[in-house]
Amino acid sequence: AQSVTQLGSHVSVSEGALVLLRCNYSSSVPPYLFWYVQYPNQGLQLLLKYTSAATLVKGINGFEAEFKKSETSFHLTKPSAHMSDAAEYFCAARGGGSNYKLTFGKGTLLTVNP
Amino acid sequence: DGGITQSPKYLFRKEGQNVTLSCEQNLNHDAMYWYRQDPGQGLRLIYYSQIVNDFQKGDIAEGYSVSREKKESFPLTVTSAQKNPTAFYLCASSTAHSNTGELFFGEGSRLTVL
Repeated sequence: AQSVTQLGSHVSVSEGALVLLRCNYSSSVPPYLFWYVQYPNQGLQLLLKYTSAATLVKGINGFEAEFKKSETSFHLTKPSAHMSDAAEYFCAARGGGSNYKLTFGKGTLLTVNP
Repeated sequence: DGGITQSPKYLFRKEGQNVTLSCEQNLNHDAMYWYRQDPGQGLRLIYYSQIVNDFQKGDIAEGYSVSREKKESFPLTVTSAQKNPTAFYLCASSTAHSNTGELFFGEGSRLTVL
């Protein structure tokens, strides 16, 4: 079964600093990986997704993520944090074959300090 | 605009009462999902449906029921058998039969049991 681990339930950065949110997956098949963002009391919005076309994936709002098979990781980064980036971020994975269920990590709350 | 509509956004229920959360989509998606979100626990899958008149239990289906009589609609009933129903409920949809398809989410419904 697919599982997703997000290291750090809370990450705090200063405005303008690098954002790094960590995600590791466990799977015996090549996974399909996603990052979502959630603002308070709202639904989730897709930031980016990895579907094996390219290991470096660029998403919305300046975010990107790199798929590293050897490390089973899909960390999310942004070079310079903005106050509007403050939100909760979720990594999710789906296995191959006919299993279409998406498994989510527990989320990382990003705080951006002025 | 195409999207997913959940209602009500906030709902209060007395113990022992059943309550039904509405989810409607106009994206022409075949698959629909219900997730429960609790602080620090990420999203957990309750039920999902890949076609009309068919649905499967997710990881935490006990105390919940669903129906899928129309492609556009996937209501969730929280029954009195659900021991801890206070949570944020998210409905989502996606194109079926696709590992690379992302989920589109509604704005969520927050249920509080008094």
